Amino acid sequence: AQSVTQLDSQVPVFEEAPVELRCNYSSSVSVYLFWYVQYPNQGLQLLLKYLSGSTLVKGINGFEAEFNKSQTSFHLRKPSVHISDTAEYFCAVTLYGGSQGNLIFGKGTKLSVKP
Amino acid sequence: NAGVMQNPRHLVRRRGQEARLRCSPMKGHSHVYWYRQLPEEGLKFMVYLQKENIIDESGMPKERFSAEFPKEGPSILRIQQVVRGDSAAYFCASSPVRGGGEQYFGPGTRLTVT
Repeated sequence: AQSVTQLDSQVPVFEEAPVELRCNYSSSVSVYLFWYVQYPNQGLQLLLKYLSGSTLVKGINGFEAEFNKSQTSFHLRKPSVHISDTAEYFCAVTLYGGSQGNLIFGKGTKLSVKP
Repeated sequence: NAGVMQNPRHLVRRRGQEARLRCSPMKGHSHVYWYRQLPEEGLKFMVYLQKENIIDESGMPKERFSAEFPKEGPSILRIQQVVRGDSAAYFCASSPVRGGGEQYFGPGTRLTVT
């Protein structure tokens, strides 16, 4: 079975500082990896995804993530955050080539950007 | 191209009543997933449907919960005889392909059971 661990439940950071949100996964088979963002009282929006190819993935809003197979990690980074990045971020996996496709989510990391 | 639509956005039910949550996938998408988000928890998969078929319901509680995705019309998640523990946000996602692809989420229905 697959599982996702987001190591930090809350990350406070000052505006224009860099940020890294950590995600580790466990799976005996290959997976696809995703980061989603959820603003208060809204649905989830895809930030970026890793399906194959380059391990450095660039997404929307200046975010990027790096897939590290040996460490089973997919950490999300942004070099300079804005107040508007305050939201909850979810890491998720699904089976590579699986016929079901349901996503398995971590518990989320609340990013709080302070002025 | 309209996104995934869910209604109602907020639903209040008394214990013992029925809750019906609707989801219209994006145009051209025939794969629908339902997830539940409890406070301080990530989203948990409930059920995966394709038009007129339930493909995977391994995340659905065994009793009181059911889902359908008819040939015409939205997907429906039905909760019978609701209890306070059913209070949560319920999200629907759709995908154009089966398995492994990107899912597009709706805004969710927030169910409160009083």
